[in-house]
Amino acid sequence: DAGVTQSPTHLIKTRGQQVTLRCSPISGHKSVSWYQQVLGQGPQFIFQYYEKEERGRGNFPDRFSARQFPNYSSELNVNALLLGDSALYLCASSPSGQLSNQPQHFGDGTRLSIL
Amino acid sequence: AQKVTQAQTEISVVEKEDVTLDCVYETRDTTYYLFWYKQPPSGELVFLIRRNSFDEQNEISGRYSWNFQKSTSSFNFTITASQVVDSAVYFCALRGTVEYGNKLVFGAGTILRVKS
Repeated sequence: DAGVTQSPTHLIKTRGQQVTLRCSPISGHKSVSWYQQVLGQGPQFIFQYYEKEERGRGNFPDRFSARQFPNYSSELNVNALLLGDSALYLCASSPSGQLSNQPQHFGDGTRLSIL
Repeated sequence: AQKVTQAQTEISVVEKEDVTLDCVYETRDTTYYLFWYKQPPSGELVFLIRRNSFDEQNEISGRYSWNFQKSTSSFNFTITASQVVDSAVYFCALRGTVEYGNKLVFGAGTILRVKS
């Protein structure tokens, strides 16, 4: 079975631009979470979606938004890109919305570079 | 606040040595879950183990073992007879059930370098 897939693998943008990152969860998983990992740090939680509804939001500005589609895939959008948005963006999926005792399965991430 | 501290930024060992990665956590939740993930250079986070706050039994899986001590809020990870393939960044993570909902809080990670 395919794992969590993310696209694109790498992306280069300039300040002020907008970007959309995509994620397909493991088949049968209904929950998707997004994390930002800046070089040398641990991942930071951005969003969790379950059944197309936002279930959790981290401490990120409104420039960050996301949505989940009926097939449970998800998009993360970032507007007005800043240099500090350069990071590895990780998507993780889980079977249900109750995440507490479930391990999340991560994709390989999208490496976003802002020039 | 919910927090995970991995005080060891980087560890270097020679193959076949044992190595322990430290993890200390903070949470006000009485029920919580602890995780260890491995991140090889490819970037994917690989799940290694989950432990809930009510289960303080230590666990062994092959060369890996985990020591959970609630009294000291620690969840340490030991690799026995390390191998070059163990080289990666290892993250300890915490998820509470009340204070921060479903958010998974990660430590800063420990870089493990195993030399042949």
